[in-house]
Amino acid sequence: EDKVVQSPLSLVVHEGDTVTLNCSYEVTNFRSLLWYKQEKKAPTFLFMLTSSGIEKKSGRLSSILDKKELFSILNITATQTGDSAIYLCAVKLLAGSARQLTFGSGTQLTVLP
Amino acid sequence: DGGITQSPKYLFRKEGQNVTLSCEQNLNHDAMYWYRQDPGQGLRLIYYSQIVNDFQKGDIAEGYSVSREKKESFPLTVTSAQKNPTAFYLCASSTRDEIALLTDTQYFGPGTRLTVL
Repeated sequence: EDKVVQSPLSLVVHEGDTVTLNCSYEVTNFRSLLWYKQEKKAPTFLFMLTSSGIEKKSGRLSSILDKKELFSILNITATQTGDSAIYLCAVKLLAGSARQLTFGSGTQLTVLP
Repeated sequence: DGGITQSPKYLFRKEGQNVTLSCEQNLNHDAMYWYRQDPGQGLRLIYYSQIVNDFQKGDIAEGYSVSREKKESFPLTVTSAQKNPTAFYLCASSTRDEIALLTDTQYFGPGTRLTVL
């Protein structure tokens, strides 16, 4: 059975802190790993990672994938209150896998002023 | 503007009643999905459809039903058989084009929050 596990489940930090969110997976037919940010409504897409060791960066957010150890991390530096959200990790399966995405349970991040 | 719409935004129903959640997209996507999200949790797949007139059960299909009569529309019915229907429901769509899928992802609607009284 395909499995995506995120840790920690929740995290409370203060503005300016750096956080690292973890996502490990056990799936057949892996194609890529995706990170989403969900504030109140629809998840918004952050990154798609397909190759090991190549960091993707967007402002204060960055992410990297390790396909040998089957995990990814999402880093947020100099956190702000606007970073408070649920961060979802999902694994995209190969062509022919109609389900496409398997999600983890999410990490609830709270950034205090 | 292209996108996915869900209605209503909030929905209340009494126990024992069926209710239908709407999902419409104008992105010309073939594939559509329904997810359920409980507080503090990730998304669990209820049903998905790759083409019109075809759909498959996801991980938690019991107590739900869907139809896909039109490409743009994928309504979800929460039946009285669903024991714990109070949740946030998200609809998503994506292309099935294999080249586009290398860089593309699923697009989500704004969600419907269902509360059973």
